[in-house]
Amino acid sequence: SAVISQKPSRDICQRGTSLTIQCQVDSQVTMMFWYRQQPGQSLTLIATANQGSEATYESGFVIDKFPISRPNLTFSTLTVSNMSPEDSSIYLCSVGDRANTGELFFGEGSRLTVL
Amino acid sequence: AQSVTQPDIHITVSEGASLELRCNYSYGATPYLFWYVQSPGQGLQLLLKYFSGDTLVQGIKGFEAEFKRSQSSFNLRKPSVHWSDAAEYFCAVARTGSARQLTFGSGTQLTVLP
Repeated sequence: SAVISQKPSRDICQRGTSLTIQCQVDSQVTMMFWYRQQPGQSLTLIATANQGSEATYESGFVIDKFPISRPNLTFSTLTVSNMSPEDSSIYLCSVGDRANTGELFFGEGSRLTVL
Repeated sequence: AQSVTQPDIHITVSEGASLELRCNYSYGATPYLFWYVQSPGQGLQLLLKYFSGDTLVQGIKGFEAEFKRSQSSFNLRKPSVHWSDAAEYFCAVARTGSARQLTFGSGTQLTVLP
């Protein structure tokens, strides 16, 4: 298992601003995943953060809107840029298990509200 | 591509009653199947998982799930629900060996009445 810490846990932001979410893992992991959970919805994968290379984005998500950093094997950041009310969501960081079975461990999430 | 369907958006049960949450998946081969729980204001916690072998799997907090290949289902059950079980439950399926390919269902919100 892995212990994942995210911050901020919640924030209220103004339209047009940007916010960076940090994710710290207690062990070295190859891949880290960023998910979005819009109100009342399921989880949607935004991107996979790879150490030493650019993040891999899923369809519908672009680097200009959600830039990701992965400076080392235990840390990643996700920035939500030029926010609008539609970006109000819970953003979750997760890591996979070492056997790469698909099992994920999640942080507690960062709940963003954009006014 | 795989998909997951949770037909029940919201379920209400009385404390002490039994519970079954439905999950159907679509995938050509035998998938890896998961149930996660999300309590209010929390991240997701794994309840149980199925990879292969015994089709009845036991999880944490007294939950179990049964894989039925003929019905493409992986329903979650608990014989006696506790008030603390009130949460959102997500079924998920992964293509073998790829965490990136994890697909989540839309979730079932469980309310427990005293």
